[in-house]
Amino acid sequence: NAGVTQTPKFRVLKTGQSMTLLCAQDMNHEYMYWYRQDPGMGLRLIHYSVGEGTTAKGEVPDGYNVSRLKKQNFLLGLESAAPSQTSVYFCASRTGKETQYFGPGTRLLVL
Amino acid sequence: AQSVAQPEDQVNVAEGNPLTVKCTYSVSGNPYLFWYVQYPNRGLQFLLKYITGDNLVKGSYGFEAEFNKSQTSFHLKKPSALVSDSALYFCAVRDGNNFNKFYFGSGTKLNVKP
Repeated sequence: NAGVTQTPKFRVLKTGQSMTLLCAQDMNHEYMYWYRQDPGMGLRLIHYSVGEGTTAKGEVPDGYNVSRLKKQNFLLGLESAAPSQTSVYFCASRTGKETQYFGPGTRLLVL
Repeated sequence: AQSVAQPEDQVNVAEGNPLTVKCTYSVSGNPYLFWYVQYPNRGLQFLLKYITGDNLVKGSYGFEAEFNKSQTSFHLKKPSALVSDSALYFCAVRDGNNFNKFYFGSGTKLNVKP
């Protein structure tokens, strides 16, 4: 099993550009999460999903949209990137148990 | 409001000595608490969790954590540190009102010197 994978690993955007980050898991997990990690601030929840076709807002959802059309995939979209969205983005998934399994992260730089 | 605090940005310890990484929490209801470790340029890995039962929880790589309800703390410990334990450690708590959400602390960098 690959576990949780994220695409791309690194991306540079110009302000105002859009992009989609892809998270895929092969563990048949119901729950999926998108976090951002910034120095000194730990991980903050952007959006999450409790199952295929459902999404919900986390702590810092502004400027992001998500979709969960397939159980194994959770997409994070930036419609108009801003420098404040420069961060490392982590996807995670879990079963009904509480332990989360994290992907390797996507480094995003917005110029 | 639910929150997690890790009061130390960095902890330095010599190899072979015991280590403690501190975590305090604020959550409504019964706390579900977690420790994760992050190695450079990697995602977080689960170490251990407390849900109920014994206050001393044992986890991966020889780590353990002590749950203290009166002090609302969940400190991570290891009797004898290894250089390879050097990493970033995160404490996390499940939201007491929304069981689908989790809150993470700001992280503590552990440096184990030979």
